Amino acid sequence: GESVGLHLPTLSVQEGDNSIINCAYSNSASDYFIWYKQESGKGPQFIIDIRSNMDKRQGQRVTVLLNKTVKHLSLQIAATQPGDSAVYFCAEISYGQNFVFGPGTRLSVLP
Amino acid sequence: DAGVIQSPRHEVTEMGQEVTLRCKPISGHNSLFWYRQTMMRGLELLIYFNNNVPIDDSGMPEDRFSAKMPNASFSTLKIQPSEPRDSAVYFCASSQGTVNQPQHFGDGTRLSIL
Repeated sequence: GESVGLHLPTLSVQEGDNSIINCAYSNSASDYFIWYKQESGKGPQFIIDIRSNMDKRQGQRVTVLLNKTVKHLSLQIAATQPGDSAVYFCAEISYGQNFVFGPGTRLSVLP
Repeated sequence: DAGVIQSPRHEVTEMGQEVTLRCKPISGHNSLFWYRQTMMRGLELLIYFNNNVPIDDSGMPEDRFSAKMPNASFSTLKIQPSEPRDSAVYFCASSQGTVNQPQHFGDGTRLSIL
């Protein structure tokens, strides 16, 4: 699946609240998933990954949830801060294939 | 540790000119990827190398685009002749292997073809 970035979905949250960014992936054979954060003028930055034999993984202030039944991935950011404002991409890959990036979600943190 | 290093950061040139983008992957990474990012199409994989060998170039738009990796620490993406529709941000990424490993991106080259 190609990524289409014509209109980025936007999520606005108050500083200090939790953020949940969702991603629907397309390939039921995908077995590895990554969330990236992209700030303006910079390249995508690795946040957290998860393999298909897991349904949850936690990092520092971030949690990724994987629901293979409905092919859904989510990124939860606890206590959202202004520095979390960015575009967030999910990426999926199945063995022997290349990464497929989602269209991205823009997170805006309101003061 | 130094991340993926790309140069130049910005390039503005007239159509018809040759453009060369450069990338230095993270030391020890044996896979290198070139992507193009536009508002309309998002992130698109152009080509990737494993151990300096091109593995999949199916994303290269047309023959005007070419990429080389003469050694493990350097790669180029060349556009000749360039066209206005090539304007985009071009990213290079590297990883340790190609199977289920995170790719680490450089900060990109913003290319504008007038």
